[in-house]
Amino acid sequence: EAGVAQSPRYKIIEKRQSVAFWCNPISGHATLYWYQQILGQGPKLLIQFQNNGVVDDSQLPKDRFSAERLKGVDSTLKIQPAKLEDSAVYLCASSWWGGGPDEQFFGPGTRLTVL
Amino acid sequence: AQTVTQSQPEMSVQEAETVTLSCTYDTSESDYYLFWYKQPPSRQMILVIRQEAYKQQNATENRFSVNFQKAAKSFSLKISDSQLGDAAMYFCAYRSARGMDSNYQLIWGAGTKLIIKP
Repeated sequence: EAGVAQSPRYKIIEKRQSVAFWCNPISGHATLYWYQQILGQGPKLLIQFQNNGVVDDSQLPKDRFSAERLKGVDSTLKIQPAKLEDSAVYLCASSWWGGGPDEQFFGPGTRLTVL
Repeated sequence: AQTVTQSQPEMSVQEAETVTLSCTYDTSESDYYLFWYKQPPSRQMILVIRQEAYKQQNATENRFSVNFQKAAKSFSLKISDSQLGDAAMYFCAYRSARGMDSNYQLIWGAGTKLIIKP
């Protein structure tokens, strides 16, 4: 079974530039998550999709962050314009349905550095 | 709102010895799930072990076991016979059994860095 794929693995940009991250979840997983993880902290949920609908985006800074999950499979997360404080690892995870004891499977993450 | 607290930012243990990582949580619910995830340096986060709150028996997975104390709202992770490959950040997480509109998000602790001394 192929795992969660993410690209790119690393990205360095200047502040005020734009950046996009891509995630391909495990086949058949209905739920997809984007997390922001700042060094030394736990993951912070940015957005959760159930199939192609948004379940929770309460912590997504909507003035600069956007995300979509077309056809309920792949997803992209975009930051426009980036700020210094956006430097973090962006993790994508997926799970079968998201509830109960359901395990989340994580991708390798994208490490973003904003200069 | 539920919270998860990991009071040990860093722990170290000698290889082959046993170490216990602490986790406490705050909730008013009676039905929920608890998880320990492991994040090795520059590698993917993976699930170590999980516990259903309605089960009194503590979960075990090979060298990993938990001490689940529901009344005390405590969920510690014991790693026996520590190995170099156990070095990682360990995160404790909580999920309510009652999600609203399919929202079953995990509530994460801040993590404990485990160092294994050879």
